[in-house]
Amino acid sequence: QVQLQESGPGLVKPSGTLSLTCAVSGGSISSHNWWSWVRQPPGKGLEWIGEIYHSGSTNYNPSLKSRATMSVDKSKSQFSLKMSSMTAADTAAYYCARRDNWFASWGQGTLVTVSS
Amino acid sequence: DIQMTQSPSSLSASVGDRVTITCRASQSISSHLNWYQQKPGKAPKLLIYDATSLQSGVPSRFSGSGSGTDFTLTISSLQPEDFATYYCQQSHTTPLTFGGGTKVEIK
Repeated sequence: QVQLQESGPGLVKPSGTLSLTCAVSGGSISSHNWWSWVRQPPGKGLEWIGEIYHSGSTNYNPSLKSRATMSVDKSKSQFSLKMSSMTAADTAAYYCARRDNWFASWGQGTLVTVSS
Repeated sequence: DIQMTQSPSSLSASVGDRVTITCRASQSISSHLNWYQQKPGKAPKLLIYDATSLQSGVPSRFSGSGSGTDFTLTISSLQPEDFATYYCQQSHTTPLTFGGGTKVEIK
């Protein structure tokens, strides 16, 4: 059973850049899956941010207006998210997940607050 | 983008009730529809994938139906642990999109 664990700072300053990492264990990051990021503002619904394949191919949500960048490090079995120009509206729980055409495996999530 | 509309946004039900949640896609998504359950402070949990397939370990009181644009999640006999928020999600095309959620509360 694959396990995912997010890590990164819980507080980001307005206009700053968020950096999160998701460590993958119990399975290969080079499997035939996409590795996604999903976020959820407090009390609101789920929003897909984007995904990356082990080859480095990516798909992003156009709603984020190119602020998101994802990368993968196969040697460390982890993938990462960077999001620039953060505002209060980006305050949310950020989840990493494995997509098998559905999200069967999720990290526990990490709360990111944007505040000075 | 494909818009996913869930109804109702919330409902109150009693233990033992049959509960039905609907999800409508703004265009046909074939059977590429998944359902999740989320409890406060927890990650979503996959219940149903490809519209009708029950995820391993999920109780058989959960079932899904539909294809094209209209889908349904049914809980045949609501249990205390089923009080949660439920989301549909289309995997037909990127950007992947979720419904707004249905909160199931205790009556």
